[in-house]
Amino acid sequence: QSALTQPASVSGSPGQSITISCTGTSSDVGSYNLVSWYQRHPGKAPKLMINEVKKRPSGISNRFSGSKSGNTASLTISGLQAEDEADYYCCSYAGSSTWVFGGGTKLTVL
Amino acid sequence: QVQLQESGPGLVKPSGTLSLTCTVSGGSISNYYWSWIRQPPGKGLEWIGYVYYSGSTKYNSSLKSRLTISVDTSKNQFSLKLSSVTAADTAVYYCARHTDTTYDFDYWGQGTLVTVSS
Repeated sequence: QSALTQPASVSGSPGQSITISCTGTSSDVGSYNLVSWYQRHPGKAPKLMINEVKKRPSGISNRFSGSKSGNTASLTISGLQAEDEADYYCCSYAGSSTWVFGGGTKLTVL
Repeated sequence: QVQLQESGPGLVKPSGTLSLTCTVSGGSISNYYWSWIRQPPGKGLEWIGYVYYSGSTKYNSSLKSRLTISVDTSKNQFSLKLSSVTAADTAVYYCARHTDTTYDFDYWGQGTLVTVSS
């Protein structure tokens, strides 16, 4: 299992939209609609933001959305807010009861 | 609200065994899967393995030969043991819950740093 590929960093100004990509293979992202995204603030527990590619768990702002095309999944955050500044990780089910994560993306709100 | 808390030594000697426990509060350990996930310094997250409340397990193939994950339902805890550790096992270790419906990790602990050093 190889890690999913994410950009190391992205940035945007308040109110703007940003997109974080997550590229896997036909064995993980491309095979299953089971991509999830996690937000992690320093020293805090990771928080589930998106599951099953594009579903938002209860309580998650609709500013967060997910999508997938082929072997690449994406997380879009619209209307950026200062509180969105955090690390974001994608994760995909990889079959046979195993999971693979991305390397993480640091989002900076300018 | 379900809460998870990792505990265990923060320093382990090379060739020793890394042992961590995750205590689940605010909910039962039953009927869920419980995973360990780690993040080495400067690297991404790595899924280590899981234990079901019944005791069945699944491990990352890269760690399988050194890994034991177990559950104690009477204490609402599950544990990780990783043997023959090296500096490459230095990481923040997280425990997390997942379901077999959405295949995501819906609750996590805050993580605990374990350093392998003499």
